[in-house]
Amino acid sequence: SYELTQPPSVSVSPGQTASITCSGDKLGDKYASWYQQKPGQSPVVVIYQDTKRPSGIPERFSGSNSGNTATLTISGTQAMDEAAYYCQAWDSSTAVFGGGTKLTVL
Amino acid sequence: EVQLVESGGGLVKPGGSLRLSCAASGFTFSNAWMSWVRQAPGRGLEWVGRIKSKPDGGTTDSAAPVKGRFTISRDDSKNTVYLQMNSLKAEDTAVYFCTSDQGIPAAPYFHHWGRGTLVTVSS
Repeated sequence: SYELTQPPSVSVSPGQTASITCSGDKLGDKYASWYQQKPGQSPVVVIYQDTKRPSGIPERFSGSNSGNTATLTISGTQAMDEAAYYCQAWDSSTAVFGGGTKLTVL
Repeated sequence: EVQLVESGGGLVKPGGSLRLSCAASGFTFSNAWMSWVRQAPGRGLEWVGRIKSKPDGGTTDSAAPVKGRFTISRDDSKNTVYLQMNSLKAEDTAVYFCTSDQGIPAAPYFHHWGRGTLVTVSS
């Protein structure tokens, strides 16, 4: 079965750039989405189709996807961005999530 | 405003059954593809399955761990999607989220999420 691998945790200082990676076999041939989940809340999509931001998502969130790796980049990270982030892709009519990355802003 | 409200969760014994409902409003439900995603306590997100809109065939897809045990259905007259869960196991314990799917058919994303309903499988 298809797997997506994320680092368990990433730390960033406020105002700096955070990058969260998601690895999977030929992931660049698929579309990746990214979801933000804060404690006790439902997930929110922040990036879809590799690079697109839904309305209401700040411009500091961006995405890329090439080769075997998709990357979520948060520029000028703010304290409010501290959350778990999950990548997701489709493989043969099955949705697959990465294990999640806890982003700490300190 | 889009709203997805899940209900039907609770405590059930191993081997038992439960039916979850998700009532939708604020969008044209009959044209929407809907999914269920679950999250075990302290764990990550896991896709359970989806149902396409009737104009797109109304077919379902399910994740391997639940195939043959869980069934997704919809009632467009009630703007509701269901998750029938049979032969429940302890590892099915999770918060179950309902989502509305959007984007291109080959790779939709989970646009709107409900607040989830907790299912606990324990003797």
